[in-house]
Parts: sequence; C-alpha cells; structure tokens
Amino acid sequence: EVQLVESGGGLVQPGGSLRLSCVVSGFTFSSYAMSWVRQAPGKGLEWVSAISGSTYYADSVKGRFTISRDNSKNSLYLQMNSLRAEDTAVYYCAKVRYTGITLSYFDSWGQGTLVTVSS
Amino acid sequence: QSALTQPASVSGSPGQSITISCTGTSSDVGSYNLVSWYQQHPGKAPKLMIYEGSERPSGVSNRFSGSKSGNTASLTISGLQAEDEADYYCCSYAGSSTLVFGGGTKLTVL
Repeated sequence: EVQLVESGGGLVQPGGSLRLSCVVSGFTFSSYAMSWVRQAPGKGLEWVSAISGSTYYADSVKGRFTISRDNSKNSLYLQMNSLRAEDTAVYYCAKVRYTGITLSYFDSWGQGTLVTVSS
Repeated sequence: QSALTQPASVSGSPGQSITISCTGTSSDVGSYNLVSWYQQHPGKAPKLMIYEGSERPSGVSNRFSGSKSGNTASLTISGLQAEDEADYYCCSYAGSSTLVFGGGTKLTVL
C-alpha cells in the first residue's frame, strides 16, 4: 500500500523559516518524481514544486522555497524561507507521474500538514 | 501561471449526469492532452479521478469520464450518487515543467 506522511507544519512568524518532510512507503521512491501541492484555508489547490532529476517551482515560491529528496530515507523535503501570510496552507506531498517526458498528474497524496504564518 | 477557470458550483439529482468545465489557454489546456481531475471530500486529501484527459485509474468508477475541446476540458459524472458530492479540481501541464490547477468546483447532489 502506498503511503505518504507529511510532518513539520506549525505556526511561524512572517519572515521565518520552516522545513516540511514527507516519508513514503509502498513504492520505489527513487524511481518517481515527487511534488508539493498546497491549499490555503477554504481555497483551491495550488501546485508549489516538483523534483525529479531537476527541481521546478511555481512563480509564487521561486527563490524562497527549496525542494529536495533523500532517496536513502524515502523522504521528500520542502525548505520554506521568507514566509508570508499568504503561504498559510495545508501542504500535501504527492507522487508525480510523467506522460512521456512531461510532468503530468498526481496519483498518490499524503494527508497534508498545516503551515500557519502569523505574528 | 494563472489558475484554470472552473464554475464555482454545480448540482444535480441522483441518477442525473453533470459536467464540470475547466477553461485554460493555448499555453496549457489547449496545447497538451495532459489534464487531470481530482475529487476532494471535506477534510480529506485529493484523489485522482482522470488523467491524460480521459484515462481512468484503476478503481475509479466508469461513471467518471473526461474530454477536451480546444482550451476547455470537461469532467462528466453520470448516474450521480450521493457519495459524488465533493469538490473537484482540474489540473493541466502549463509548459516549462509547471502545473496549474483550476479554482475548484463544489458538486452538490440534491
């Protein structure tokens, strides 16, 4: 059974930093691209970042967030710096599938971890 | 990276069919057959329902189907059931290794 478990969320002040983690099981982690998707309270889904051999970011987080992975630990990370109130959201870890050589869709999701940016 | 446009809400009675539209541009939906659809119940993680425009993952009911015409993708749910009541999101590849979601549609089963 595929499982993705996020952790690391919490309350942080504007301008602060936070590191999210996602531990996966049930599939060969190193063989798949991974992504972070967020959802602000009461709002829709927003793609944040993805990692395969390279890293990719939404414009809204480029330069502030860094995605990384440790295949030996079956773990995905999101380092979030210079946090803003508008970064407040549930952050989901998701397994990404390719169509050909193109990022395509998310076939498995974690339950999410809440990040609140507030003073 | 502008969000795709979905209706805020749709509704239907049990047994009926409904269609949710997802309108993008020639830079995303119109250029790639890479639209996916997700179902999200309150407080739950999203679930993949359709990928590559019209493909259904194993385990997803064949009452769910996807299509595309020009810059607009559509999700059709036939034979509506109470358990289909949820939020639905479309997502498309948007070029340069980025993905974009729609704003979401709340489906109410009357």
